Amino acid sequence: KQEVTQIPAALSVPEGENLVLNCSFTDSAIYNLQWFRQDPGKGLTSLLLIQSSQREQTSGRLNASLDKSSGRSTLYIAASQPGDSATYLCAVSFNAGNMLTFGGGTRLMVKP
Amino acid sequence: ETGVTQTPRHLVMGMTNKKSLKCEQHLGHNAMYWYKQSAKKPLELMFVYSLEERVENNSVPSRFSPECPNSSHLFLHLHTLQPEDSALYLCASSQDRAHGYTFGSGTRLTVV
Repeated sequence: KQEVTQIPAALSVPEGENLVLNCSFTDSAIYNLQWFRQDPGKGLTSLLLIQSSQREQTSGRLNASLDKSSGRSTLYIAASQPGDSATYLCAVSFNAGNMLTFGGGTRLMVKP
Repeated sequence: ETGVTQTPRHLVMGMTNKKSLKCEQHLGHNAMYWYKQSAKKPLELMFVYSLEERVENNSVPSRFSPECPNSSHLFLHLHTLQPEDSALYLCASSQDRAHGYTFGSGTRLTVV
């Protein structure tokens, strides 16, 4: 069964810290991997999309890496801010149909 | 606004009611999806439509009935739901794997 796991489930850090969120997946034959942000009770906002042929993507203070051989991706957030507080979701497309399988998310709290 | 609009934002219905959720995308995408997000569980794929044809029905009970009249609109018809069906229902669209998913803000459904 193709699964996506995110660790830790929750994380609390002081403002200004650099932090890393982890995502692992069971099948290395992926098509792409997408990181999302979800604020409480809201929909998902796409942060970064990494194709299977890519190693990393960057957007502002965010950097996502992909290591297919080890079945891992990381989301690096530099100089965290209270506004970064949200749940971060990792999702993997394991098939040509572009259907995403989601991890359980990491709930991030950045304290002022 | 992401370009994917879901209505209503909130819905409370009794177990004998019939209601419908609506999703509309203005992005020119050719695939649309319904996901269910329950408390403390990863997002679960329910239905996938590609070019208005249903390509995935992820073992969803028949009390949920999807409809895709055209590439811009997706409905989820609900009848005789159970309290455990209470969840956030999210609609998404995509063009292809190169561009990832765009999600709507969701419909918070409560079954009483």
